[in-house]
Amino acid sequence: DIQMTQSPSSLSASVGDRVTITCRASQHINNYLNWYQQKPGKAPKLLISAASILHSGVPSRFSGSGFGTDFTLTISSLHPEDFATYYCQQSYSTRRVDFGPGTNLEIK
Amino acid sequence: QVQLQESGPGLVKPSQTLSLTCAVSGDSISRGSYYWSWIRQPAGKGLEWIGRMYSSGTINYNPSLESRVTISADTSKNQFSLKLTSVTAADTAVYYCAREIHPPGRSDLRALDIWGQGTMVTVSS
Repeated sequence: DIQMTQSPSSLSASVGDRVTITCRASQHINNYLNWYQQKPGKAPKLLISAASILHSGVPSRFSGSGFGTDFTLTISSLHPEDFATYYCQQSYSTRRVDFGPGTNLEIK
Repeated sequence: QVQLQESGPGLVKPSQTLSLTCAVSGDSISRGSYYWSWIRQPAGKGLEWIGRMYSSGTINYNPSLESRVTISADTSKNQFSLKLTSVTAADTAVYYCAREIHPPGRSDLRALDIWGQGTMVTVSS
């Protein structure tokens, strides 16, 4: 099993802030790391794949980085619609998918 | 535009079998380069991957659920299904189906790119 952890579990920030969320894998996963955004009552949406590639239609204020075991999701300047829960997910394993526990980004 | 839509009973009795279907429009589940997945989310909790199937017939399950789960496809209706046996209250969740893209030659781009809206299933007598 590949265990995924995220920090912080929750985060309060203001519109315009720069925010960074961290995801760590329990083993080396190269760049096989995806990020999703989920708003209450909605399905998750893919933001970033392969650790740093923005999915179609995702605003450029979102960025991802990392390789191996440590990854980050950065929002350069928070917009009101960015307050949501963010999940990382490893796609390294060919037999299973694992999500991180999520980071709840709240308005300060 | 590819769309996925889950359907099935919203209430299942304990010990019975949960059965859900995901209808796919705008794409064929028989086409290569995609896995078709099920994920669930208990209220207020995180995402739990249940399993997935590929057009070739390959199926992967979450080991924690494997003894109770079956994922299958009906290509004539372009839909895939989830069966979860011997359910308990712990299986109460929103169930999502999703497409997992597998671009040829870029395995690092594997990701769940399209999701259904989700369907709430409650296990209760």
